[in-house]
Amino acid sequence: EVVMTQSPLSLPVTLGQPASISCRSSQSLVFSDGNTYLNWFQQRPGQSPRRLIFKVSNRDSGVPDRFSGSGSGTDFTLKISRVEAEDVAVYYCMQGIYWPYTFGQGTKLEIK
Amino acid sequence: QVQLVQSATEMKKPGASVKVSCKTSGYTFTHYGISWVRQAPGQGLEWVGWISAYNGNTYYTQKFQGRVTMTTDTSTSTGYMELRSLRYDDTAVYYCVRDVPATASADLVYWGQGTLVTVAS
Repeated sequence: EVVMTQSPLSLPVTLGQPASISCRSSQSLVFSDGNTYLNWFQQRPGQSPRRLIFKVSNRDSGVPDRFSGSGSGTDFTLKISRVEAEDVAVYYCMQGIYWPYTFGQGTKLEIK
Repeated sequence: QVQLVQSATEMKKPGASVKVSCKTSGYTFTHYGISWVRQAPGQGLEWVGWISAYNGNTYYTQKFQGRVTMTTDTSTSTGYMELRSLRYDDTAVYYCVRDVPATASADLVYWGQGTLVTVAS
């Protein structure tokens, strides 16, 4: 199965400052249709996960534009341009091209 | 609007079975699949498997093969996940998620609220 490795696992950030989370996959996530099925999810305390980003860099509806995704092949990044209090959550990358789908370990973002 | 509403909290003894339901609305059920994802207390997300509501095809993570069965009822637009021979480490919140109807190309936008399954003696 494809192993997804995130770093860091804990991310203390000052309000208004940027944040960046890295995700690496053990295999290329480029599908035969040319798309790269790398997703980012946000899970706030006590809530179901919410997809933020699909196919590397596409924001889901309602996701603030301070969230952005980038990367290719096996290396991907989620960036928050200016962290707000509501961004406190655990962030997961997930590959959706190979069964079984696999998630990264999660990165816990907290306010410093 | 798309909704997935799951069944209530369950408490089971080791060795028992549990069947979690996921009633959907707001979209054409047979045009999609359902993935099931679980999360043990304080832990990360783990994908359990998938079922196509279009043709009933399933895929189960090897770890759960032989213990899990996913089904759908197209008359009620409901998905089910049954997990047998429960162990203590099956204690988790189980989520249903709307997914694609065919091959792997995950589209996990709409999630249920989660069902807590506790395995305790």
